[in-house]
Amino acid sequence: EDKVVQSPLSLVVHEGDTVTLNCSYEVTNFRSLLWYKQEKKAPTFLFMLTSSGIEKKSGRLSSILDKKELFSILNITATQTGDSAVYLCALTTSGTYKYIFGTGTRLKVLA
Amino acid sequence: DGGITQSPKYLFRKEGQNVTLSCEQNLNHDAMYWYRQDPGQGLRLIYYSQIVNDFQKGDIAEGYSVSREKKESFPLTVTSAQKNPTAFYLCASSREGFQPQHFGDGTRLSIL
Repeated sequence: EDKVVQSPLSLVVHEGDTVTLNCSYEVTNFRSLLWYKQEKKAPTFLFMLTSSGIEKKSGRLSSILDKKELFSILNITATQTGDSAVYLCALTTSGTYKYIFGTGTRLKVLA
Repeated sequence: DGGITQSPKYLFRKEGQNVTLSCEQNLNHDAMYWYRQDPGQGLRLIYYSQIVNDFQKGDIAEGYSVSREKKESFPLTVTSAQKNPTAFYLCASSREGFQPQHFGDGTRLSIL
């Protein structure tokens, strides 16, 4: 059965800290891995990864995929209170339009 | 601006009542999805549709029904058979089945 596991479930840090969020998976026919940020309502898209070892970067956020070890990490450097949110990881597989979501990591950044 | 509109934002259901949640998109996306989110949980797939007039059950379809008569619209009906409907419902769309999904702002459903 396809599965996505995110860790930690929750995390509290202080402004300026660096955090690493993990997403490990077991899927057949991997196609893409996506990261989203959900603050209150709609999740917003952060990154899509399809190839192993290539880092995607946007400002203080970056993400990388390891298809051999079956995981991805999302790094946030110099955290700010605005980074407080739930971060969701989702996977897609070939041959289906389904997205498989993890339970998310709840990040709280204290001023 | 293109996007997804969900309505209403808040909905209350009485016992034995069916309620319908609206989802409209103007992104010209083929695929549309309905998810349920419970507190502290991720997104669980209820139904999805790859194309007009076709839809498939997700992981938790029991007690729900959908239709896809137009590309832009994918309404979800929560039937009286769904005994625990209190949750946050999110609608999403995507151009293809591996591309980033766009989400609506959600509907919060509660039981009266």
